[in-house]
Amino acid sequence: QKEVEQNSGPLSVPEGAIASLNCTYSDRGSQSFFWYRQYSGKSPELIMFIYSNGDKEDGRFTAQLNKASQYVSLLIRDSQPSDSATYLCAVVPPGTYKYIFGTGTRLKVLA
Amino acid sequence: DAGVTQSPTHLIKTRGQQVTLRCSPKSGHDTVSWYQQALGQGPQFIFQYYEEEERQRGNFPDRFSGHQFPNYSSELNVNALLLGDSALYLCASSFGPPSGEQFFGPGTRLTVL
Repeated sequence: QKEVEQNSGPLSVPEGAIASLNCTYSDRGSQSFFWYRQYSGKSPELIMFIYSNGDKEDGRFTAQLNKASQYVSLLIRDSQPSDSATYLCAVVPPGTYKYIFGTGTRLKVLA
Repeated sequence: DAGVTQSPTHLIKTRGQQVTLRCSPKSGHDTVSWYQQALGQGPQFIFQYYEEEERQRGNFPDRFSGHQFPNYSSELNVNALLLGDSALYLCASSFGPPSGEQFFGPGTRLTVL
């Protein structure tokens, strides 16, 4: 089992719709969770971080964390073509400083 | 506010050579982490430097080494390059322990021929 798993996609959504990106992790004791956006040929850009169970909203983005299910998600409301990118989930296992990344989900927002 | 900077942007080397990549952290940050990202994969953790010491290391051979300077900038050195070392090398900076939010630099694209 991979430490952090994401569906590679592509996930295609129409412009204006809600995009839902999911991530599961294997280490139950993990405490810190991050979402990064990576455009083709560029470096990852931090979008959201979440440490506690529940929802965290920032503009059009909502991160959701369920530690019991070992599941973290990212919702993008009113998706725009400029949101088309690969979204990387990162988890910090307990007792470490390293980020463990998933392989990313490619999102395509269709105009 | 200067973000994370890396140099060079691109680099072409041949097998067996050695390479040094450089990183300057975001202003106010004191911790530097290095990652390797192969095409189509997520970044893989190489190591992290804090207070000029390697605080944690990922599953990379000893050919990969690093250094952090008193001004918090950092270098990644790779010896005896292999074709499989071709990747995007990313530096990320953060502030203090335990695992503050990491901000990535633009990366160095290394090609080994």
